[in-house]
This record gives sequence, C-alpha cells and structure tokens, in this order.
Amino acid sequence: EAGVAQSPRYKIIEKRQSVAFWCNPISGHATLYWYQQILGQGPKLLIQFQNNGVVDDSQLPKDRFSAERLKGVDSTLKIQPAKLEDSAVYLCASSLDAPEAFFGQGTRLTVV
Amino acid sequence: GDSVTQMEGPVTLSEEAFLTINCTYTATGYPSLFWYVQYPGEGLQLLLKATKADDKGSNKGFEATYRKETTSFHLEKGSVQVSDSAVYFCALIRMDSSYKLIFGSGTRLLVRP
Repeated sequence: EAGVAQSPRYKIIEKRQSVAFWCNPISGHATLYWYQQILGQGPKLLIQFQNNGVVDDSQLPKDRFSAERLKGVDSTLKIQPAKLEDSAVYLCASSLDAPEAFFGQGTRLTVV
Repeated sequence: GDSVTQMEGPVTLSEEAFLTINCTYTATGYPSLFWYVQYPGEGLQLLLKATKADDKGSNKGFEATYRKETTSFHLEKGSVQVSDSAVYFCALIRMDSSYKLIFGSGTRLLVRP
C-alpha cells in the first residue's frame, strides 16, 4: 500500500512570501492531519479534516495559514505571508477510523 | 485539555544498557496510546501502540504497558543498540468522534558503542 505523499520535501523562501504544501493521504483514509514540528519540539496539530470537513483548526494561525481538502482526498496547506518563526517541518498524516495515523516524510520549510 | 508529558532528554546510554523513557498523559475518556520514533532525517514511524488499559504494545524489542491507574505508558527496552539512536514521541488519540492525535515533546536517545 502506498504511504502518505508530501511535496515538496524542502522549501526555502524569504519572509513575507507565500508557500504551499501538498499532501496525498493513503487511499480511503477519511481523517487527515497537518502538523507543525519546530526543531527540538513535538509535532503540533494545525488542522484536522474528516473527509472534506474541518474537525479542529483551533491552533491554526488563521491570519496567515489556510488549508483545504478538496473532495475529501488531497490537501494543501498555505502560508501567506510567511514569517521567520514559521521555519519548521510540516507533517501530513492520515488515518482510517483511528487509532493509528500514518505520516508522510514532511516538508522542511526555511524562512530567511 | 488533553496532554502528553515525556521525560526530557537527551538520554545517553551505552550499547546493551536498559532503556526507560517515561510518558504520562491527561485525557478525557479512554484514549489509545502510541510511541512514534523519528530517525535522523526521516519522518515519524509508529513504533508500538496500546488501545486499552493493561494492553502491552511491543515491537523491535521495545515494550510499553497502558497503565490507566497511573495514566502512564513508559517505553522500555532491555538492551539498546546504536541503531536505536533517535527521537521518541509518546502520543495519544482521543477515541471520541474527534480522533485528535496529540504528541509529547519528544525524548532524544543517544546510544554509544
């Protein structure tokens, strides 16, 4: 079975620019998570989808971050404009009825 | 709110030493518990899991027992290897309709030959 696919793997942008990350979950997985992992910290949940509906986005900085999951499959996470403190690894995970989540390799974002 | 607390690292051990990484949790209801491992430069991989009280998860020589009375899920291994050097994350999933997945801050393990 194919795993969770994320792209790009690495991205370097200047502050105030915009950036988008893409995630393709495991086929059939209804739940999709986006996490932010700052160096030396545990992953922090940004947003959770169940099919194409948002379950939890309480920790998403909505003034600059947005996410969508069209047709309940692929998802994109966007940052506009980026700040230096957004430098992190952005992880996507998917789950089928819990209790296990499968993670992609992540996108490492560096904001300079 | 729900949370996971892990012992701070780094934990430095010699090869073949006994490993314990402590993890405690706070959650409503009856969560499922997990240990994830992150090797250098790689993504998160599920190491083991337990879905109810007194369950023992095990994989690759690692074990953890779901202790409801102490709200703990400590990770243990009898004899660590250099290849076990990684960051270990304790996590829980709320088993209500949210399926919210919450992580601890991670514990770095360094095993020396």
